[in-house]
Amino acid sequence: GNSVTQMEGPVTLSEEAFLTINCTYTATGYPSLFWYVQYPGEGLQLLLKATKADDKGSNKGFEATYRKETTSFHLEKGSVQVSDSAVYFCALRASGTSYGKLTFGQGTILTVHP
Amino acid sequence: GAGVSQSPSNKVTEKGKDVELRCDPISGHTALYWYRQSLGQGLEFLIYFQGNSAPDKSGLPSDRFSAERTGGSVSTLTIQRTQQEDSAVYLCASSLAGVGAISSPLHFGNGTRLTVT
Repeated sequence: GNSVTQMEGPVTLSEEAFLTINCTYTATGYPSLFWYVQYPGEGLQLLLKATKADDKGSNKGFEATYRKETTSFHLEKGSVQVSDSAVYFCALRASGTSYGKLTFGQGTILTVHP
Repeated sequence: GAGVSQSPSNKVTEKGKDVELRCDPISGHTALYWYRQSLGQGLEFLIYFQGNSAPDKSGLPSDRFSAERTGGSVSTLTIQRTQQEDSAVYLCASSLAGVGAISSPLHFGNGTRLTVT
């Protein structure tokens, strides 16, 4: 079946530090890949997506590149801010018997200190 | 435009009571999903509706859980005889559906926080 594995958290950084959150996946066919963010007390928001190999999704200074050869979709940001503190979820959507379903990773808590 | 709307935002109920949670999806989205987010458990898929097709109920944790979608729009998740382990945030999402839809994201509501005392 489909699965997503995220790096263990929580992650604590100082403002302006470089961020990487690792994400690898297992899926049949050609999945689309997503990063969602959940700010404290809020619902999930789409952060970025990529729909085919070598695509790069980007938004709000965050980037992730769809790497089919390594089945990865790592999230990066060059300089984090306190306002980036949130929970980040990697997810995939693949064809198959329940192709509509999003399969999520376990989430990574990011805390950014001033 | 309007996003996915869920009600109530918070619900406190006594163990053994039944609860109904409501979801109003984005207009034009034929696919609707329910997920559960428990502390330390991540996001758990519950059920998926697409158009007039039979729903995918493979994620429902027990027969106390059921959901329906009326008229292809509003959905209600019902939990009968609630237990303390049902306490969680219940999230609804909607999306476009169809062959090319796997590239479309799911749009989530803010969730219903259910507390069973």
